Order: sequence, then structure tokens, then C-alpha cells
Amino acid sequence: KNEVEQSPQNLTAQEGEFITINCSYSVGISALHWLQQHPGGGIVSLFMLSSGKKKHGRLIATINIQEKHSSLHITASHPRDSAVYICAVRTGNQFYFGTGTSLTVIP
Amino acid sequence: EPEVTQTPSHQVTQMGQEVILRCVPISNHLYFYWYRQILGQKVEFLVSFYNNEISEKSEIFDDQFSVERPDGSNFTLKIRSTKLEDSAMYFCASRSLGAAGANVLTFGAGSRLTVL
Repeated sequence: KNEVEQSPQNLTAQEGEFITINCSYSVGISALHWLQQHPGGGIVSLFMLSSGKKKHGRLIATINIQEKHSSLHITASHPRDSAVYICAVRTGNQFYFGTGTSLTVIP
Repeated sequence: EPEVTQTPSHQVTQMGQEVILRCVPISNHLYFYWYRQILGQKVEFLVSFYNNEISEKSEIFDDQFSVERPDGSNFTLKIRSTKLEDSAMYFCASRSLGAAGANVLTFGAGSRLTVL
């Protein structure tokens, strides 16, 4: 069973497009993390959310605790945004990961 | 900017051998984690460590695996008798305990383990 579901699995966008990646989860959570995994494999934490909305530059993350759903938005997408975006939920001190969304932004 | 350091970056070992992967978390972080990612698959949680003991562990983290914080800085993952299916990238991460916005996970660059 998958405690965390992401959609879409793959996404190709033209430079400048607005992008949305969705995450649904089935467990009670302490927090939700959005991660970015670069083609070389390194992982960077983008956001940690327990409620509401956060913004950092062109990235916006929202969470709806009642609906157990989070979205990651990228405004004015750029080829350097090409990466795998991973949703991970933390329950206590245990993590469950989504399978990731592979984003390719074409110039 | 503080970072999590992992060594080695790549280790090749024979099946049945013991392997120790090392991590130096960020110094003022309190929670430490090991994850693994088999090639082409999703990241999987292995274990969390807090206050010098295991906090939570997954089904993957069986008796083959152990973690230690032998001194104030290092955090190690030991695999006692490696199997082919242990081949993966192993990520260490640490997390602070602080106000919202400071409570961010920081990942190491990973240690790639290849079991032959």
C-alpha cells in the first residue's frame, strides 16, 4: 500500500509555464516535506509544512490537513527546475515517501 | 551554509561483508535519519535516531542493520552481512528542533553501495 501518492508521475512543460504537482496521503502526519532530487541524485529539502501555505521565490507549497492533500506550484518555470520532486510525510519520527514527479522544463 | 557530510561516496563490497556508512550531521541538529534509494525506485525510510537511541524504524531495518552515534559528531549505519539487494544509495539526513521554518531536513549527498 502507498501511504503517499503523487501525481503526475512525469511532467513536461515549456519554459515559463505554471506547474502544479499534487500529493495525497493516507496517514496522520506531523509534517509534510517537499524535496527536490537533482539528476545527480542529491536531495534538497524545499519546504516543511504542517498547515497553510509557504512561498520561497517561485515555489509555493500548500497543504490542506482535512483533505490530506498538498500541492507544490512552480511559477514561471525554468529549465533549471528540471528535477524529481518528492513528497514525504512525517508521522512522529517515521517518514513515508511518494514515488516522485519527474519534471522536465523545455526551453 | 552547514551541511551533512557522508562517507564514503561510493563503496563496492562482496556479498556477506560488513559495511559501515558514516555521516556527520549538522552540529546543532537533534534528529538523525537514514534512508535508502534502490536505483530507479523511491526513497525509503530506514531509521530515525534521537537522544542517543533509535526513535523509529521501518520493516526494512532488520537485525542486519544497526546505527550508532559513537561520539558527538558521527552517525553510522552498519550492515552486518551485505546482500545483493542492499545495493542502493544511502542518504543520511538531520533535522533541527526549532521554530517553524527552522525545522528543515538537511540531506547528505549520499553513499552509493554496490554489493557484488
